[in-house]
Amino acid sequence: EIVLTQSPGTLSLSPGERATLSCRASQSVSSSYLAWYQQKPGQAPRLLIYGASSRATGIPDRFSGSGSGTDFTLTISRLEPEDFAVYYCQKKWTFGQGTKVEIK
Amino acid sequence: QVQLVQSGAEVKKPGASVKVSCKASGYTFTSYDINWVRQATGQGLEWMGWMNPNSGNTGYAQKFQGRVTITRNTSISTAYMELSSLRSEDTAVYYCARGVKLCGGDCYSFDYWGQGTLVTVSS
Repeated sequence: EIVLTQSPGTLSLSPGERATLSCRASQSVSSSYLAWYQQKPGQAPRLLIYGASSRATGIPDRFSGSGSGTDFTLTISRLEPEDFAVYYCQKKWTFGQGTKVEIK
Repeated sequence: QVQLVQSGAEVKKPGASVKVSCKASGYTFTSYDINWVRQATGQGLEWMGWMNPNSGNTGYAQKFQGRVTITRNTSISTAYMELSSLRSEDTAVYYCARGVKLCGGDCYSFDYWGQGTLVTVSS
């Protein structure tokens, strides 16, 4: 069973800064299978990225995904106030433990 | 617009069962899988199982095998998740989510989510 490990656990940044979140898989994953979600307090998760690098409908282009094999990255080019949240990677039935992006 | 609307919060005693509903609208219910994902307070997301509403086929996470049952009523576009033998560790928000293959192969993600249902297990 695949395990997805996200790092760092918490990322403290200021609005306007660049955020780089990592998701490492315990075994090689076809890039088609990796997705990213954003979750704000009290809300359901929202799909951001699927197929490792394709933005879901309505997702701003400051969000981008990349990677292959066992290492994947979600990048937020310039943090907006509404981007401070928890982010999860996912491969089919498995989720990473999440990375919290908090205001510094 | 696509919506998944879940039933309200529940409080149950240990050993009891709970059944949460998820009503779909804005799309053809039988065309997409429904998944159930839970989240304990302050914790991450945990996938529980899926169902193909067209065939009724289901699949469950090993952790929940024998305790969870996912069913549907296609006439009212509603999926159900029943969890039995509840214990305090089952206290969580339970989400339904639509499963889609937005790209080829085994590419599978959850594009629409219900609002969540808080299930509290307490004596």
